[in-house]
Amino acid sequence: RKEVEQDPGPFNVPEGATVAFNCTYSNSASQSFFWYRQDCRKEPKLLMSVYSSGNEDGRFTAQLNRASQYISLLIRDSKLSDSATYLCVSTHGGNQFYFGTGTSLTVIP
Amino acid sequence: EAQVTQNPRYLITVTGKKLTVTCSQNMNHEYMSWYRQDPGLGLRQIYYSMNVEVTDKGDVPEGYKVSRKEKRNFPLILESPSPNQTSLYFCASSLQGTGEKLFFGSGTQLSVL
Repeated sequence: RKEVEQDPGPFNVPEGATVAFNCTYSNSASQSFFWYRQDCRKEPKLLMSVYSSGNEDGRFTAQLNRASQYISLLIRDSKLSDSATYLCVSTHGGNQFYFGTGTSLTVIP
Repeated sequence: EAQVTQNPRYLITVTGKKLTVTCSQNMNHEYMSWYRQDPGLGLRQIYYSMNVEVTDKGDVPEGYKVSRKEKRNFPLILESPSPNQTSLYFCASSLQGTGEKLFFGSGTQLSVL
């Protein structure tokens, strides 16, 4: 079973829409969680860390549900520039980062 | 500027010809790692290093070698490349490990013919 699983999409949404992605992780001992953004064939860049209490950064909100072992990313008021692939990441004590396969988002004018 | 520098950006080679992809970071990070990215499989960790002379296998280490002789450098070596190693490779570093942000190099697109 994969450590991290994501719906690959694609998600095609109009500008201004709200879109949510979920990601499930298999290891209950997972400790840290992140969302990365990757533009086509470029290096991933950290979008935000995910904290137990949930956290917000502008239009982006991340939440963690340990009981159900999933994390979520909510994007409000989508912009054209939000079009990218969003990667979910978990870690646990073995010093490895586990990446999901990514969810593709296209924001349409 | 804080960065991870990875070279070359593109590399085409033939089966069996040894190659090295270089990775260097200027942030004094202790943790460095290599990933390969393939369609439908996402980013998979090849090797990682917690500090100088300390390296460990990731999920897909077969066919690869690494070394960490200096803190800033973490080269990826393919002793005898094969076509199934054709992929997009990323080097990344973080200050101390998995609780922290990863900084990525710009990637190396490798084609093995």
